Amino acid sequence: AQSVTQLDSQVPVFEEAPVELRCNYSSSVSVYLFWYVQYPNQGLQLLLKYLSGSTLVKGINGFEAEFNKSQTSFHLRKPSVHISDTAEYFCAVLQAGGTSYGKLTFGQGTILTVHP
Amino acid sequence: KAGVTQTPRYLIKTRGQQVTLSCSPISGHRSVSWYQQTPGQGLQFLFEYFSETQRNKGNFPGRFSGRQFSNSRSEMNVSTLELGDSALYLCASSQGTGGQPQHFGDGTRLSIL
Repeated sequence: AQSVTQLDSQVPVFEEAPVELRCNYSSSVSVYLFWYVQYPNQGLQLLLKYLSGSTLVKGINGFEAEFNKSQTSFHLRKPSVHISDTAEYFCAVLQAGGTSYGKLTFGQGTILTVHP
Repeated sequence: KAGVTQTPRYLIKTRGQQVTLSCSPISGHRSVSWYQQTPGQGLQFLFEYFSETQRNKGNFPGRFSGRQFSNSRSEMNVSTLELGDSALYLCASSQGTGGQPQHFGDGTRLSIL
């Protein structure tokens, strides 16, 4: 079984400041890693994914994340946030192989609030 | 390319009734997963269908069921509704192989009175 911990439930930040949203996971098998964003009254939008290869992955809207296998972390970063980045962000894992088909395990979410 | 479409967007039901939610995946996607999102429990996996077969199921009671049609469209049914079933139900589609990411619809918000 997998579990995902998002270390901050809320992160306030000023516009144009950098931000890091932290995610740690636990799994006895290999996993794929994802970050999603959810705006009010909408579904989840994929920001970026790590499947294999380079541990630094770039996504949409200027976001990037770094996979750290030894620390089982997948933190999301953006060097300069905008008001429009205000939303809830979810880290998720998907078991690689095995029989856990189609089951994303999500963290509890981090609400990012960008202040002017 | 059209995204994942869920209908209806909003539903109001009373306890004891049953409800059917619909999901049309992205064209070419054969896998459909369903999730329940609540403030208390967060996002929880319900089940996954691939080529009309349920391949995986989460820890939900048998009142929650689903199916997938030959065109990959999926439906989810909840019988004997309880107040605790009030939630946002999200459907996601993917190619269903490897680590292909899931793409989500905007959900159906179900309210139980």
